[in-house]
Amino acid sequence: QVQLQESGPRLVKPSGTLSLTCAVSGGSMSSSNWWSWVRQSPGKGLEWIGEINHSERTNYNPSLKSRVTISVDKSKNQFYLKLSTVTAADTAVYYCARVSGGIDYWGQGTLVTVSS
Amino acid sequence: DIQMTQSPSTLSASVGDRVTITCRASQSIGNWLAWYQQKPGKAPKLLIYKASSLESGVPSRFSGSGSGTQFTLTISSLQPDDFATYYCQQYDTYPWTFGQGTRVEIK
Repeated sequence: QVQLQESGPRLVKPSGTLSLTCAVSGGSMSSSNWWSWVRQSPGKGLEWIGEINHSERTNYNPSLKSRVTISVDKSKNQFYLKLSTVTAADTAVYYCARVSGGIDYWGQGTLVTVSS
Repeated sequence: DIQMTQSPSTLSASVGDRVTITCRASQSIGNWLAWYQQKPGKAPKLLIYKASSLESGVPSRFSGSGSGTQFTLTISSLQPDDFATYYCQQYDTYPWTFGQGTRVEIK
């Protein structure tokens, strides 16, 4: 059973950088799956941020591409999200997830608040 | 971006009802569509992938159909555990996009 767990600062100052880690257990990140970040603003819908695969190939949402970096450390079975120059609009629950014909495994999500 | 539009936004139903949620894509996505169920404070749960394939462990009362631009999620007999918000998502063209959600509430 694959499990994902997000971690990182829950409060980020405006204009700062949001950094999250996703730890994957029960499965290898060297498999053929893609690994994604998705966010959900309070009371709103879901927004796909981007993804990375075992070859470190990435795809990003163009609406965030200039500010997003997703990376992976297969030796640690972890992948990462960095979102720069954040504003209050980036306040959301951030989920890490595995993509396999849809998103079949999700982390529990972590609420990140952008505030001074 | 491909726009995904769900209808209705809210649906009131009773236990035992047959429920249908519609998702329309702004352009053809073949059958690259997934459906998710989300309960408050929880991550979404995959129900259906590739428009009509039932995810392992999901009750058979859930079914999906459609292709191209029009898709439906059907719950054949609504159970108390099914009151939640449902989202469709296309994974045909980047960026992946989600519908705005359909909240299924108790009538």
